[in-house]
Amino acid sequence: AQKVTQAQTEISVVEKEDVTLDCVYETRDTTYYLFWYKQPPSGELVFLIRRNSFDEQNEISGRYSWNFQKSTSSFNFTITASQVVDSAVYFCALSEFNQAGTALIFGKGTTLSVSS
Amino acid sequence: NAGVMQNPRHLVRRRGQEARLRCSPMKGHSHVYWYRQLPEEGLKFMVYLQKENIIDESGMPKERFSAEFPKEGPSILRIQQVVRGDSAAYFCASSPQGTPGELFFGEGSRLTVL
Repeated sequence: AQKVTQAQTEISVVEKEDVTLDCVYETRDTTYYLFWYKQPPSGELVFLIRRNSFDEQNEISGRYSWNFQKSTSSFNFTITASQVVDSAVYFCALSEFNQAGTALIFGKGTTLSVSS
Repeated sequence: NAGVMQNPRHLVRRRGQEARLRCSPMKGHSHVYWYRQLPEEGLKFMVYLQKENIIDESGMPKERFSAEFPKEGPSILRIQQVVRGDSAAYFCASSPQGTPGELFFGEGSRLTVL
């Protein structure tokens, strides 16, 4: 069965600190996608990134970076120099590869609070 | 705003009443998904629809819940005879054809059952 675990329920940091959100997944599929979504206080989920299981290259987008390690089944998300606007709930998710409409399996989310 | 539109944003119902939640996908998107978020939980898949077809309803409770996505108009998630345990945020998402996982979510409809 597929499963996503986000062990950190809540994290609090002060502005400009770096913070890493952990995500560990389980799947029997050899090909799959991994995602991160952000849910700000307004409620909607914002897509951040999708990675496929063939591509273990780390990715950086501005202050955001992702570390995918297949050997440890982890897909961690780091925010560098955090800002108050980064305060949100962050969800990691998993889906089967290359199937439109396949359900996303979400973790329970990590609530990040960034104070000034 | 060409995003996914959900209404109502907040809905209050008494036990036994019906709840109808509507979702208009992004322009050009033909795939619609409904997810439910219980307090302090992640999102759980309920149903996946394309126009006039239910493709996957494996996450939908067998009773009282139904969904449709008619040829014209929004997708509707219908909950009959609501109970307190149905209180949750219901999110709709849409995607363009052939793009697994890159879902665009609405702001959600928050159902409270008294």
